[in-house]
Amino acid sequence: AQSVAQPEDQVNVAEGNPLTVKCTYSVSGNPYLFWYVQYPNRGLQFLLKYITGDNLVKGSYGFEAEFNKSQTSFHLKKPSALVSDSALYFCAVRDNNNDMRFGAGTRLTVKP
Amino acid sequence: GAGVSQTPSNKVTEKGKYVELRCDPISGHTALYWYRQSLGQGPEFLIYFQGTGAADDSGLPNDRFFAVRPEGSVSTLKIQRTERGDSAVYLCASSLSSGGKQHFGDGTRLSIL
Repeated sequence: AQSVAQPEDQVNVAEGNPLTVKCTYSVSGNPYLFWYVQYPNRGLQFLLKYITGDNLVKGSYGFEAEFNKSQTSFHLKKPSALVSDSALYFCAVRDNNNDMRFGAGTRLTVKP
Repeated sequence: GAGVSQTPSNKVTEKGKYVELRCDPISGHTALYWYRQSLGQGPEFLIYFQGTGAADDSGLPNDRFFAVRPEGSVSTLKIQRTERGDSAVYLCASSLSSGGKQHFGDGTRLSIL
């Protein structure tokens, strides 16, 4: 069965520093991987996805993610964090039934 | 443009009552998904509609949960004999086609007292 794991419950970075939010996945077949962001009292917002092609995927708000097949990882990155990036981030994989399986989420806090 | 709309935004009810949660997808989106997000957890898949039919309802936790989408647009998630453990945020998402990018509503926060 498809699944994703987000090993960090919390990530803290200083504004202006690079950030990484980790995600590893387990799939049978080709992985379809996604990142979503959730602000308080809001639904999930799509950031980016990997279906095929370049391993470095660029998404919304300056975020990018690197697909690494050998390490089965899909870490979310941003070169320079903003305070407004503070939110809950979810990694997800789409399984063979087109159902999305989400990780438990990582809370990102960017301090000024 | 209009996104996915979920009503009500908050629902508080007593244990044992019946509740209905509504989702209005983006116009023209054929696929519709329901998720449940418990406190501190990631969203958990419940059911997926393609048009009017439930393509996959394997995530529904038990037979107290039921969802319909009679005209292939608006969907209603129905919960009978609610229990305190049903308290969660229920998220709806829609996509233009099966497997497409999903657009999420803001969710309905359900509290069972």
